[in-house]
Amino acid sequence: DIQMTQSPSSLSASVGDRVTITCQASQDIYNFLNWYQHKPGTAPRLMIYDASNLDTGVPSRFSASGSGTYFTFTIKSLQSEDIATYYCQHLHNENVFGQGTRLE
Amino acid sequence: QVHLVESGGDVVQPGGSLRLSCTTSGFIFSDFGMDWVRQAPGKGLEWVASIWFDGSDAYYADSVMGRFTISRDNSKNILSLQMNSLRAEDTAVYHCARNYQRVNDFWGQGTLVIVSS
Repeated sequence: DIQMTQSPSSLSASVGDRVTITCQASQDIYNFLNWYQHKPGTAPRLMIYDASNLDTGVPSRFSASGSGTYFTFTIKSLQSEDIATYYCQHLHNENVFGQGTRLE
Repeated sequence: QVHLVESGGDVVQPGGSLRLSCTTSGFIFSDFGMDWVRQAPGKGLEWVASIWFDGSDAYYADSVMGRFTISRDNSKNILSLQMNSLRAEDTAVYHCARNYQRVNDFWGQGTLVIVSS
């Protein structure tokens, strides 16, 4: 089974900060890596698919990169509405989430 | 516009059963695989189960294998999760999600299941 290790588990940041989250897979997953934003009481929102592609409507301050086993997710200039928990996910034959990164 | 709405969450005693539903609209339900994903209090997202677009195959997390059954009614656009032999550790918000080309692209807001005596 593939394991996804996400870090940090929590992150304190201010409006305007550059924020980076990493996700490491236990084996090569090519670019089969997605990123989600989740706010309490709401539906998780797809932000990035296939490692680096912004989903429709996602602001350009969000970006992501990586392939193989190492992936990063970046918010170029943090806005107040970006406060949420972010998850990486590998969905291909199995569905595995990282532990989540809580932005504070 | 794609909509997924979960229902059926409740408080249930350990060992009890519960059936969750996910009512969908805004897309051709029978064209897509579907997933259940849960979030326990203070924990992250955890995949629970998946079902193929036509219901011909299903997959389960080890933690629910043999206790939960995922099913779908493509004539009514409804996804279901039958949960038996519930345990305290099954307490969570349960989300349904559409599965499209290696992505859960649309999700519902979730329904809360509490397993407690």
